[in-house]
Amino acid sequence: DTAVSQTPKYLVTQMGNDKSIKCEQNLGHDTMYWYKQDSKKFLKIMFSYNNKELIINETVPNRFSPKSPDKAHLNLHINSLELGDSAVYFCASSQVSGPYNEQFFGPGTRLTVL
Amino acid sequence: AQTVTQSQPEMSVQEAETVTLSCTYDTSENNYYLFWYKQPPSRQMILVIRQEAYKQQNATENRFSVNFQKAAKSFSLKISDSQLGDTAMYFCAYRDSNYQLIWGAGTKLIIKP
Repeated sequence: DTAVSQTPKYLVTQMGNDKSIKCEQNLGHDTMYWYKQDSKKFLKIMFSYNNKELIINETVPNRFSPKSPDKAHLNLHINSLELGDSAVYFCASSQVSGPYNEQFFGPGTRLTVL
Repeated sequence: AQTVTQSQPEMSVQEAETVTLSCTYDTSENNYYLFWYKQPPSRQMILVIRQEAYKQQNATENRFSVNFQKAAKSFSLKISDSQLGDTAMYFCAYRDSNYQLIWGAGTKLIIKP
């Protein structure tokens, strides 16, 4: 069974559109994350979220918003897509109260904005 | 603020050789966690090994081991008997007090047959 899943794996869209990427984890973790990986492979944290707190990286444009319908899901919604949003987006989860708090990653979503 | 530095953008070795990837970090905290993640061409991020700062013993996972030097703030990854499947990007990461990972820029490792 997939521990952290994301859909879709590939997303091609036009500038100005609004899109969402879904993430689900079946690990029972209490915290979920969204990362952006650019073309140089640099990983940047966008959000971390548990049922108590949303931590937002201040450099993330407010066109990006996380939406969590329940503890197992953290979707990423992006408004007014721009060319610079093209990247691979990773969802991850962890158990903050666990001994290591290592993060488990989804397979990534490659977003291409034309 | 914590930072993580991986000074080797790319490395390549022959299959079966041993290779060491370097990672240094900067922090004022005393207890923390360090991780190495692997990202093969499939782009899946896979945890390779982890280390707690208060444990002096270096972590090992089969062919993967770390050399953790707390005073020097160094956390290198050694891969023994390298295999073609080890070809990947390797990322060093530091877990901060907000439970978020601070990432290095990555090292691209190529294992040549």
